[in-house]
Amino acid sequence: ETGVTQSPTHLIKTRGQQVTLRCSSQSGHNTVSWYQQALGQGPQFIFQYYREEENGRGNFPPRFSGLQFPNYSSELNVNALELDDSALYLCASSLATRENIQYFGAGTRLSVL
Amino acid sequence: AQSVTQLGSHVSVSEGALVLLRCNYSSSVPPYLFWYVQYPNQGLQLLLKYTSAATLVKGINGFEAEFKKSETSFHLTKPSAHMSDAAEYFCALNQGGKLIFGQGTELSVKP
Repeated sequence: ETGVTQSPTHLIKTRGQQVTLRCSSQSGHNTVSWYQQALGQGPQFIFQYYREEENGRGNFPPRFSGLQFPNYSSELNVNALELDDSALYLCASSLATRENIQYFGAGTRLSVL
Repeated sequence: AQSVTQLGSHVSVSEGALVLLRCNYSSSVPPYLFWYVQYPNQGLQLLLKYTSAATLVKGINGFEAEFKKSETSFHLTKPSAHMSDAAEYFCALNQGGKLIFGQGTELSVKP
C-alpha cells in the first residue's frame, strides 16, 4: 500500500468527450506526477505538479491538463478524447527532493470507443 | 538525451532458478535509478532504488540490483525465483524529477 489512491478505477468514454481523473497523494508528499501507460508499453510522463504549479511537462498536447489542490491531491483532465487516449493512467506522489522517489497508485483504466 | 533500455521483453525461468533482468541507461549526469514491478491490472510497486550510495542495492521480495557505472547498467537479480514473481518489471531513470521508463520485461516463472 502506497497511500496513493486514484479514482475511478475504470472508465469508458466515447471519442470527443472529456474526462477527469483524480488522485490523492500519500500523506506528507507535495509533488504529483501523471503518466500514461499504453498496452504493452512503459509509462510515459505527462506532467508534474509541485505546490499547485505545473513543474514539467512531457510530449503531450494541451488538451491534457491538470490541477493540484492545496491538500496536494490532483486531477488530470483530457478534452476531445481520441481513440489513442485509451490507456492506464498512473498517478505518483513524492517529496520534492533530488531523488524524487515516486510512489504509484493503482491507476485508472480509460477506454475510448 | 537520457534513456533506459531493457534487454529482453520477455524472460522465462523455472521456479528456484536465478532471475536476471537487464537494464542499461544513458545519462549525462549521475543517475538515480529505480526498479518497479507491475502485477496484472495493478499500478507500479517500487522494488528498489539507487541514489548514489552503495552500488549494490537490496530491495523487497529478495531482489537486488548492482549499479555499474563503467557498463552503464543496473541489472536486477534474485537468486531463486518464486511463482509469485511473475509480473512485468520496469527499470526507470530520474531525469529532473520525471521518470523515464524502459519498455518493460515480462517475467514468467515455470513450475
